[in-house]
Amino acid sequence: QKEVEQDPGPLSVPEGAIVSLNCTYSNSVFQYFMWYRQYSRKGPELLMYTYSSGNKEDGRFTAQVDKSSKYISLFIRDSQPSDSATYLCAMRFNQGGKLIFGQGTELSVKP
Amino acid sequence: SQTIHQWPATLVQPVGSPLSLECTVEGTSNPNLYWYRQAAGRGLQLLFYSVGIGQISSEVPQNLSASRPQDRQFILSSKKLLLSDSGFYLCAWRDGYTEAFFGQGTRLTVV
Repeated sequence: QKEVEQDPGPLSVPEGAIVSLNCTYSNSVFQYFMWYRQYSRKGPELLMYTYSSGNKEDGRFTAQVDKSSKYISLFIRDSQPSDSATYLCAMRFNQGGKLIFGQGTELSVKP
Repeated sequence: SQTIHQWPATLVQPVGSPLSLECTVEGTSNPNLYWYRQAAGRGLQLLFYSVGIGQISSEVPQNLSASRPQDRQFILSSKKLLLSDSGFYLCAWRDGYTEAFFGQGTRLTVV
Protein backbone atom coordinates (compact mmCIF):
# COMPACT_ATOMS: atom_id res chain seq x y z
CA GLN A 1 0.00 0.00 0.00
CA LYS A 2 1.34 3.43 -0.95
CA GLU A 3 1.76 5.93 1.85
CA VAL A 4 -0.24 8.53 -0.07
CA GLU A 5 -2.98 7.68 -2.56
CA GLN A 6 -4.35 10.14 -5.11
CA ASP A 7 -6.66 9.50 -8.06
CA PRO A 8 -4.65 10.42 -11.18
CA GLY A 9 -7.75 11.42 -13.17
CA PRO A 10 -7.90 12.99 -15.66
CA LEU A 11 -10.69 15.18 -14.34
CA SER A 12 -12.52 17.44 -16.78
CA VAL A 13 -14.95 20.14 -15.63
CA PRO A 14 -16.68 23.14 -17.23
CA GLU A 15 -15.53 26.64 -16.40
CA GLY A 16 -17.13 27.93 -13.20
CA ALA A 17 -17.54 24.49 -11.62
CA ILE A 18 -16.46 23.61 -8.10
CA VAL A 19 -13.58 21.15 -8.18
CA SER A 20 -12.83 18.67 -5.41
CA LEU A 21 -9.43 16.97 -5.31
CA ASN A 22 -8.58 14.39 -2.68
CA CYS A 23 -5.83 12.30 -1.15
CA THR A 24 -5.83 9.55 1.42
CA TYR A 25 -2.87 8.44 3.48
CA SER A 26 -1.99 5.49 5.63
CA ASN A 27 0.36 6.84 8.30
CA SER A 28 -1.32 8.75 11.10
CA VAL A 29 1.99 10.41 12.02
CA PHE A 30 1.74 12.91 9.13
CA GLN A 31 1.28 16.41 10.53
CA TYR A 32 1.95 18.84 7.68
CA PHE A 33 -0.10 18.81 4.49
CA MET A 34 0.51 20.65 1.24
CA TRP A 35 -1.01 21.05 -2.19
CA TYR A 36 1.18 21.81 -5.18
CA ARG A 37 0.10 22.83 -8.68
CA GLN A 38 2.19 21.73 -11.65
CA TYR A 39 1.73 23.07 -15.14
CA SER A 40 2.90 20.96 -18.04
CA ARG A 41 6.68 20.69 -18.25
CA LYS A 42 7.19 22.95 -15.23
CA GLY A 43 8.23 22.43 -11.64
CA PRO A 44 5.51 22.19 -8.96
CA GLU A 45 4.53 25.38 -7.16
CA LEU A 46 3.18 25.50 -3.62
CA LEU A 47 -0.52 26.36 -3.44
CA MET A 48 -1.66 25.66 0.09
CA TYR A 49 -0.14 24.52 3.34
CA THR A 50 -1.96 23.34 6.47
CA TYR A 51 -0.85 21.96 9.79
CA SER A 52 -2.84 19.19 11.47
CA SER A 53 -6.62 19.13 11.03
CA GLY A 54 -8.94 21.88 9.88
CA ASN A 55 -9.63 24.17 6.94
CA LYS A 56 -7.63 26.89 5.28
CA GLU A 57 -8.92 29.28 2.66
CA ASP A 58 -7.00 31.38 0.15
CA GLY A 59 -9.10 33.12 -2.47
CA ARG A 60 -10.84 30.49 -4.58
CA PHE A 61 -8.91 27.66 -2.92
CA THR A 62 -9.81 25.80 0.28
CA ALA A 63 -7.66 23.06 1.79
CA GLN A 64 -9.25 20.65 4.25
CA VAL A 65 -7.59 18.07 6.49
CA ASP A 66 -9.43 15.30 8.32
CA LYS A 67 -6.84 13.42 10.33
CA SER A 68 -9.38 11.04 11.86
CA SER A 69 -10.18 9.76 8.37
CA LYS A 70 -6.65 10.25 7.00
CA TYR A 71 -8.13 12.30 4.19
CA ILE A 72 -7.22 15.68 2.72
CA SER A 73 -9.02 17.74 0.11
CA LEU A 74 -8.50 20.77 -2.07
CA PHE A 75 -11.57 22.67 -3.31
CA ILE A 76 -11.41 25.13 -6.18
CA ARG A 77 -14.38 27.47 -6.54
CA ASP A 78 -15.34 29.18 -9.79
CA SER A 79 -12.77 27.14 -11.68
CA GLN A 80 -10.99 28.82 -14.59
CA PRO A 81 -9.23 27.41 -17.68
CA SER A 82 -5.98 28.71 -16.13
CA ASP A 83 -6.53 26.20 -13.29
CA SER A 84 -5.88 23.38 -15.76
CA ALA A 85 -2.83 21.61 -14.35
CA THR A 86 -1.78 18.61 -12.31
CA TYR A 87 -2.43 18.95 -8.58
CA LEU A 88 -0.17 17.07 -6.19
CA CYS A 89 -0.84 16.50 -2.54
CA ALA A 90 2.16 16.18 -0.24
CA MET A 91 2.72 15.57 3.45
CA ARG A 92 5.45 15.08 6.01
CA PHE A 93 5.84 13.86 9.56
CA ASN A 94 7.49 16.79 11.25
CA GLN A 95 9.19 20.14 10.70
CA GLY A 96 12.30 18.68 9.17
CA GLY A 97 10.82 15.60 7.61
CA LYS A 98 10.84 14.35 4.05
CA LEU A 99 8.03 15.36 1.76
CA ILE A 100 5.95 12.44 0.48
CA PHE A 101 3.87 13.09 -2.65
CA GLY A 102 0.72 11.64 -4.09
CA GLN A 103 0.60 10.66 -7.73
CA GLY A 104 -1.09 13.88 -8.82
CA THR A 105 -4.51 14.54 -10.36
CA GLU A 106 -4.66 16.01 -13.86
CA LEU A 107 -7.38 18.68 -14.05
CA SER A 108 -8.78 20.22 -17.21
CA VAL A 109 -11.19 23.16 -17.01
CA LYS A 110 -13.04 23.68 -20.28
CA PRO A 111 -14.18 27.17 -21.36
CA SER B 1 14.21 36.74 -2.29
CA GLN B 2 15.17 33.14 -2.79
CA THR B 3 15.56 31.61 -6.23
CA ILE B 4 16.50 28.18 -7.47
CA HIS B 5 18.27 27.50 -10.74
CA GLN B 6 18.32 24.16 -12.46
CA TRP B 7 19.90 23.32 -15.77
CA PRO B 8 19.78 22.17 -18.46
CA ALA B 9 16.04 22.24 -19.17
CA THR B 10 16.20 19.41 -21.68
CA LEU B 11 18.78 16.72 -22.23
CA VAL B 12 19.04 13.77 -24.62
CA GLN B 13 21.80 11.32 -23.78
CA PRO B 14 22.80 7.92 -25.17
CA VAL B 15 22.73 4.82 -23.00
CA GLY B 16 26.03 4.37 -21.18
CA SER B 17 26.96 8.06 -21.20
CA PRO B 18 27.62 10.04 -18.01
CA LEU B 19 25.22 12.56 -16.51
CA SER B 20 25.63 15.72 -14.48
CA LEU B 21 22.68 17.91 -13.49
CA GLU B 22 23.27 21.00 -11.42
CA CYS B 23 21.07 22.95 -9.07
CA THR B 24 21.91 26.16 -7.22
CA VAL B 25 19.92 28.18 -4.72
CA GLU B 26 20.24 31.90 -4.04
CA GLY B 27 19.05 34.01 -1.16
CA THR B 28 19.21 31.50 1.67
CA SER B 29 21.83 29.75 3.78
CA ASN B 30 22.15 26.10 4.75
CA PRO B 31 18.99 24.98 2.98
CA ASN B 32 17.81 21.38 2.81
CA LEU B 33 18.21 20.30 -0.80
CA TYR B 34 16.35 17.55 -2.64
CA TRP B 35 16.44 15.68 -5.93
CA TYR B 36 13.17 14.18 -7.15
CA ARG B 37 12.32 12.24 -10.27
CA GLN B 38 8.92 12.26 -11.91
CA ALA B 39 8.03 9.60 -14.46
CA ALA B 40 5.31 10.40 -16.99
CA GLY B 41 1.91 10.52 -15.28
CA ARG B 42 3.44 9.72 -11.93
CA GLY B 43 4.07 11.49 -8.68
CA LEU B 44 7.41 12.67 -7.40
CA GLN B 45 9.89 10.09 -6.19
CA LEU B 46 12.51 11.35 -3.73
CA LEU B 47 15.99 10.30 -4.85
CA PHE B 48 18.38 12.18 -2.56
CA TYR B 49 18.28 14.82 0.11
CA SER B 50 20.95 16.82 1.88
CA VAL B 51 20.87 18.76 5.11
CA GLY B 52 24.39 20.19 4.72
CA ILE B 53 27.64 20.20 2.75
CA GLY B 54 28.81 16.67 2.12
CA GLN B 55 25.74 15.18 3.84
CA ILE B 56 23.73 13.11 1.37
CA SER B 57 20.97 10.63 2.07
CA SER B 58 19.87 8.21 -0.62
CA GLU B 59 16.26 7.14 -0.72
CA VAL B 60 16.23 4.69 -3.60
CA PRO B 61 19.16 2.46 -4.65
CA GLN B 62 19.86 3.10 -8.29
CA ASN B 63 22.24 4.16 -10.95
CA LEU B 64 22.54 7.72 -9.65
CA SER B 65 24.55 9.61 -7.07
CA ALA B 66 24.41 13.09 -5.60
CA SER B 67 26.94 15.52 -4.20
CA ARG B 68 26.82 18.85 -2.40
CA PRO B 69 30.20 20.53 -2.87
CA GLN B 70 28.96 23.92 -1.66
CA ASP B 71 26.21 25.08 0.68
CA ARG B 72 23.81 26.06 -2.12
CA GLN B 73 24.88 23.67 -4.85
CA PHE B 74 23.46 20.20 -5.41
CA ILE B 75 24.61 17.91 -8.22
CA LEU B 76 23.00 14.74 -9.56
CA SER B 77 25.32 12.38 -11.43
CA SER B 78 25.55 9.07 -13.14
CA LYS B 79 28.57 7.26 -14.56
CA LYS B 80 26.55 5.25 -17.09
CA LEU B 81 22.98 6.09 -17.95
CA LEU B 82 20.31 3.42 -18.42
CA LEU B 83 17.11 3.71 -20.45
CA SER B 84 15.19 3.56 -17.18
CA ASP B 85 16.88 6.79 -16.03
CA SER B 86 14.69 8.79 -18.41
CA GLY B 87 12.34 11.16 -16.63
CA PHE B 88 11.74 14.64 -15.31
CA TYR B 89 14.30 15.56 -12.64
CA LEU B 90 13.43 18.22 -10.12
CA CYS B 91 15.58 19.98 -7.57
CA ALA B 92 13.96 21.54 -4.52
CA TRP B 93 14.99 23.43 -1.41
CA ARG B 94 13.49 24.31 1.92
CA ASP B 95 14.64 25.78 5.21
CA GLY B 96 13.15 25.81 8.67
CA TYR B 97 10.61 28.49 7.76
CA THR B 98 9.31 27.41 4.39
CA GLU B 99 7.84 24.55 2.49
CA ALA B 100 9.69 23.08 -0.47
CA PHE B 101 10.27 25.23 -3.55
CA PHE B 102 11.08 23.57 -6.84
CA GLY B 103 13.22 24.40 -9.82
CA GLN B 104 11.84 24.19 -13.32
CA GLY B 105 13.18 20.71 -13.90
CA THR B 106 15.33 18.86 -16.42
CA ARG B 107 13.64 16.55 -18.88
CA LEU B 108 16.11 13.71 -19.51
CA THR B 109 15.65 11.28 -22.36
CA VAL B 110 18.06 8.37 -22.57
CA VAL B 111 18.20 6.88 -26.06
